[in-house]
Amino acid sequence: EDKVVQSPLSLVVHEGDTVTLNCSYEVTNFRSLLWYKQEKKAPTFLFMLTSSGIEKKSGRLSSILDKKELFSILNITATQTGDSAVYLCAVESYNTDKLIFGTGTRLQVFP
Amino acid sequence: DTAVSQTPKYLVTQMGNDKSIKCEQNLGHDTMYWYKQDSKKFLKIMFSYNNKELIINETVPNRFSPKSPDKAHLNLHINSLELGDSAVYFCASSQDTPETQYFGPGTRLLVL
Repeated sequence: EDKVVQSPLSLVVHEGDTVTLNCSYEVTNFRSLLWYKQEKKAPTFLFMLTSSGIEKKSGRLSSILDKKELFSILNITATQTGDSAVYLCAVESYNTDKLIFGTGTRLQVFP
Repeated sequence: DTAVSQTPKYLVTQMGNDKSIKCEQNLGHDTMYWYKQDSKKFLKIMFSYNNKELIINETVPNRFSPKSPDKAHLNLHINSLELGDSAVYFCASSQDTPETQYFGPGTRLLVL
């Protein structure tokens, strides 16, 4: 059965810290891995990764995919209180063409 | 044990038909949601129910009507289906806050 596991489930840090969020998956016919940030309403799209070893970067956020070991990490450097959110990882399979979501990592950044 | 389930997983239908998608959660959560995933993988919230009461109703055509018979179920009924309704629809649930949501497996709707 396809599954996506995120860790840790919850993370509390101070502003300025660097955090690493993990996402491991077991999916038949992997197509892509996506990261979302969810605050109040719908998750907002961050990155899509399809190739192994290529880092995607946007400001203080970056992500990398390891297709051999079946995981991805999301790094946030110099965290700010506005980074507080749930970060969702989702994987897409060629078989179903739908997203399989992890349960998310809840990040809280305190001043 | 499936936490959030949706039926059907796939739905192929003709334009103009009326169809329903069902969602059930066995997590005891108070809040349930419907999202539409577009072709670019963006998720757009459509509706949110808390204890059978509608709390979020984004700008969606009124051909879409959610129905919550009890807090464990949130069904989505779509009238007069159009080609642009083709998408993947996700159901989700959460306890008190909207943050930690559990997503269902999605329903792929194809309107021909």
